[in-house]
Amino acid sequence: DGGITQSPKYLFRKEGQNVTLSCEQNLNHDAMYWYRQDPGQGLRLIYYSQIVNDFQKGDIAEGYSVSREKKESFPLTVTSAQKNPTAFYLCASSTPEPERRSGNTIYFGEGSWLTVV
Amino acid sequence: AQSVSQHNHHVILSEAASLELGCNYSYGGTVNLFWYVQYPGQHLQLLLKYFSGDPLVKGIKGFEAEFIKSKFSFNLRKPSVQWSDTAEYFCAVKGSWGKLQFGAGTQVVVTP
Repeated sequence: DGGITQSPKYLFRKEGQNVTLSCEQNLNHDAMYWYRQDPGQGLRLIYYSQIVNDFQKGDIAEGYSVSREKKESFPLTVTSAQKNPTAFYLCASSTPEPERRSGNTIYFGEGSWLTVV
Repeated sequence: AQSVSQHNHHVILSEAASLELGCNYSYGGTVNLFWYVQYPGQHLQLLLKYFSGDPLVKGIKGFEAEFIKSKFSFNLRKPSVQWSDTAEYFCAVKGSWGKLQFGAGTQVVVTP
């Protein structure tokens, strides 16, 4: 079945360490997104990519990095520069442009819980 | 900068009351608009979406939303809520450049 797979589901990290969260999709979607979800703040956009080898900063990109070497993969690295990394991270994908048809659907992964200890 | 605003952070109402949640965005150009719901302990679920055509969109579970282009708004409504509508509701906007942003969410509590 088509969908988005995020891994790991739970991750603990020591302060000062970088950690990479995986996001893979087999939906053949061009666009992929990373969000973090914190209570009372909704989903905040970290990075997004509309096409392979291209990505843009979202609203809270500081302390994060991404790559888009393959269409199906969009890994997120939480670096030691991220001051408050403990959060729930959500990956999503969709078609890249606004669609006049009804086919534009956003798919979400199941999320990754990152805890810094 | 583009943004999505949800007016209420918390809403408490009784069963059978009507619900309206506000959503405004500050995007120019063509947008796609969405409302998502997140029930306690569950993942995001799409309620409805607008791309073009009739500005009144009907979704699942009796929800509807109206796109008012002149007001940059996409408010969510339900005529009569149930206890099972207790959840967090998110408005989302996707611009023509591909950026997909969510509002901060509105926590809705429906009391029996």
